[in-house]
Amino acid sequence: EDQVTQSPEALRLQEGESSSLNCSYTVSGLRGLFWYRQDPGKGPEFLFTLYSAGEEKEKERLKATLTKKESFLHITAPKPEDSATYLCAATRAGNQFYFGTGTSLTVIP
Amino acid sequence: EAGVTQFPSHSVIEKGQTVTLRCDPISGHDNLYWYRRVMGKEIKFLLHFVKESKQDESGMPNNRFLAERTGGTYSTLKVQPAELEDSGVYFCASSTGGGLNYGYTFGSGTRLTVV
Repeated sequence: EDQVTQSPEALRLQEGESSSLNCSYTVSGLRGLFWYRQDPGKGPEFLFTLYSAGEEKEKERLKATLTKKESFLHITAPKPEDSATYLCAATRAGNQFYFGTGTSLTVIP
Repeated sequence: EAGVTQFPSHSVIEKGQTVTLRCDPISGHDNLYWYRRVMGKEIKFLLHFVKESKQDESGMPNNRFLAERTGGTYSTLKVQPAELEDSGVYFCASSTGGGLNYGYTFGSGTRLTVV
């Protein structure tokens, strides 16, 4: 069964305290692994797409990596404005995404 | 460029009533998707339109749900009659291609509460 699992469910960090979020997937024929950020009352906002194992993408304090079984979202020296729910999604063909339940990140000043 | 617009943002209806959700995708986006998040669960796929045609409706839970896309522009999702388990946040998203390159652009969702 196609499935995406994220951990931890919730994470509290002090400002400047780096950490990583995990996304493990069992999606046969993976074509893309996506990371989204979701703020309260808003829809998911696209961050990254990773296509193959070993690939890395960076944006400001965020860096996403991909292996054959999981993806990590590394957050370096986070700031309070990085507080949000981070969603991972996998797809075989880009027309149907399998989402994880997300990691709720709180960065404390 | 205007984003994906959904309305209403909130809807509270009684069990057995009918509700229609609307989504206006980004202009020029041929692909339109509906997803749903039930409390405590992950966001789940409902269906995919390419222009006015249903490409994949494998995620539609049952025949109480009817989605349409008039002229390949806006889309509606009707729930008739609504049941308690239909409560959740319904997201619409759109993309130019199949979403593989840039993911989707999501709307802010419609929060549906069935009482």
